[in-house]
Amino acid sequence: KNQVEQSPQSLIILEGKNCTLQCNYTVSPFSNLRWYKQDTGRGPVSLTIMTFSENTKSNGRYTATLDADTKQSSLHITASQLSDSASYICVVSGGSGGYNKLIFGAGTRLAVHP
Amino acid sequence: EAQVTQNPRYLITVTGKKLTVTCSQNMNHEYMSWYRQDPGLGLRQIYYSMNVEVTDKGDVPEGYKVSRKEKRNFPLILESPSPNQTSLYFCASSFLLAGGNEQFFGPGTRLTVL
Repeated sequence: KNQVEQSPQSLIILEGKNCTLQCNYTVSPFSNLRWYKQDTGRGPVSLTIMTFSENTKSNGRYTATLDADTKQSSLHITASQLSDSASYICVVSGGSGGYNKLIFGAGTRLAVHP
Repeated sequence: EAQVTQNPRYLITVTGKKLTVTCSQNMNHEYMSWYRQDPGLGLRQIYYSMNVEVTDKGDVPEGYKVSRKEKRNFPLILESPSPNQTSLYFCASSFLLAGGNEQFFGPGTRLTVL
């Protein structure tokens, strides 16, 4: 079954600290993996998109890694800020529905405290 | 400004009263999609369209209809809404996802069915 699982479900960190969010997937065939940031009540915003051949991709203080062999991805946030408080969603494109099918993880809710 | 717009943003209705949520994009995207988001469940795809007159069911299509008569518009129709369709709805658009293209989300429509 094509699934995307994220951990932890929720996380609290202090402002200025780093954190890493995990994403494991069983989607096959695989096209690409995306990380989104979603502020409460608003639409998700794309952070990174990685294809099979990419191991790492950065967007400012956000760095995503991908290990296509173990089917794992991580999102590392450096020097966290209060504005990083949001849900982070891992999404994989692929599976039996084709490369235009997106499979969503349930998200990790991050709270950054002063 | 490149954007995805949804209307209305908030809607309270009663069981059985037909309603339409509009979605429009100005980026000439082929791919458009509707999602619903419920607490603890993450985003779930309702319907998607890869081009004009081409629509496909997502993971939770029951009770919904869509149409794609023009490239820019992708309305979501609830013929006979029920309370279990109370949710936060997002429309999204992109060029075809298989190419690793970024997906842009609308601001969301919060629907309450009494």
